[in-house]
Amino acid sequence: KQEVTQIPAALSVPEGENLVLNCSFTDSAIYNLQWFRQDPGKGLTSLLLIQSSQREQTSGRLNASLDKSSGRSTLYIAASQPGDSATYLCAVVGPSNTGKLIFGQGTTLQVKP
Amino acid sequence: DAMVIQNPRYQVTQFGKPVTLSCSQTLNHNVMYWYQQKSSQAPKLLFHYYDKDFNNEADTPDNFQSRRPNTSFCFLDIRSPGLGDAAMYLCATSRDPGSEQYFGPGTRLTVT
Repeated sequence: KQEVTQIPAALSVPEGENLVLNCSFTDSAIYNLQWFRQDPGKGLTSLLLIQSSQREQTSGRLNASLDKSSGRSTLYIAASQPGDSATYLCAVVGPSNTGKLIFGQGTTLQVKP
Repeated sequence: DAMVIQNPRYQVTQFGKPVTLSCSQTLNHNVMYWYQQKSSQAPKLLFHYYDKDFNNEADTPDNFQSRRPNTSFCFLDIRSPGLGDAAMYLCATSRDPGSEQYFGPGTRLTVT
């Protein structure tokens, strides 16, 4: 059974710092991995999607990497801003590609001005 | 510009009183999903439609039903809500299974 873990559960950094959020999954046979952002009481915003054949994806100040063999993904946020404060969730789709996302518990990020 | 729309954003219902949550999309995606997210927990898939084909998760309670009358709309029916069903209900869509999923703003359900 696939399990997704995100460490740390919470992170507080000063504005301008570069930071890395971690995601690990127990079954390396995944179809893809997706990173989301969730603001309090709101829905999920898709940040990046990495296919299982890819090593990384970039969007603006965000860079996500995938090491399928070790069951790990990282989300790198450059030059963090207070507006980046939110909960970041990673989720994987299994190899059968039903589309079912299995989520980690998330990392709650606070960027202090 | 809203692509996945959920109504209402907040719903209060009484214990045992049926409730319906609505989701619509302007993306013309083939797949629509319903997730349940309880406080401080990760979202959990309840079921999804791939076109007209309904796929129920094994551990989704029978109390939860869904309808997809056309490509654009999908409904979540809770036949007899219990206190444990209070949660955020998230609708998502994707072009195909495994494609990027786009979420709506969610409906927060309170059961009194």
